[in-house]
Amino acid sequence: AQRVTQPEKLLSVFKGAPVELKCNYSYSGSPELFWYVQYSRQRLQLLLRHISRESIKGFTADLNKGETSFHLKKPFAQEEDSAMYYCALYPGNTGKLIFGQGTTLQVKP
Amino acid sequence: DTAVSQTPKYLVTQMGNDKSIKCEQNLGHDTMYWYKQDSKKFLKIMFSYNNKELIINETVPNRFSPKSPDKAHLNLHINSLELGDSAVYFCASSFADRVGYGYTFGSGTRLTVV
Repeated sequence: AQRVTQPEKLLSVFKGAPVELKCNYSYSGSPELFWYVQYSRQRLQLLLRHISRESIKGFTADLNKGETSFHLKKPFAQEEDSAMYYCALYPGNTGKLIFGQGTTLQVKP
Repeated sequence: DTAVSQTPKYLVTQMGNDKSIKCEQNLGHDTMYWYKQDSKKFLKIMFSYNNKELIINETVPNRFSPKSPDKAHLNLHINSLELGDSAVYFCASSFADRVGYGYTFGSGTRLTVV
């Protein structure tokens, strides 16, 4: 079954602390993975895609096929990073993104 | 200049009513989607249209009927609204052959059924 799991519903850190938002996926093929961010009551915005290997707003994510993970990391959290983060999987040829349950990141001053 | 726009932004209505939500995109995408975000923030696909043709229809009550008059528009009509329909409904769009680049989402419609 194709599935995305984000084990943490809430992650609370202090400003300046490192952040790691966990994402594990279940898919037998070659996955395409994304992180989306939703600031309070706003639209979901694409944060980054694993195929781009980019760093956006200081966030990076590395695909680990052995562990079937795509964790999102940032070395120093900022208060403006507080938001809901969704990991998503595109299983290819299905036409749809499958989202995880979301993790709320709360960065305290 | 909004890429994917939804109307209305907020909708409060009574049980049993029929309501519609509209979505339009100006990105030239050929595929559009409806997702439901429930009270626990879980995001689940409902429907997808490619060039006006229904291609994804998840397990959704048939009170929900999508309509795509052209590839730039995808509307969602809901009959006999129930309390459990209260949620945020997001429209999104993409190119069918480039879903791997991700979707562009609308700002959502917060539906409250009382």
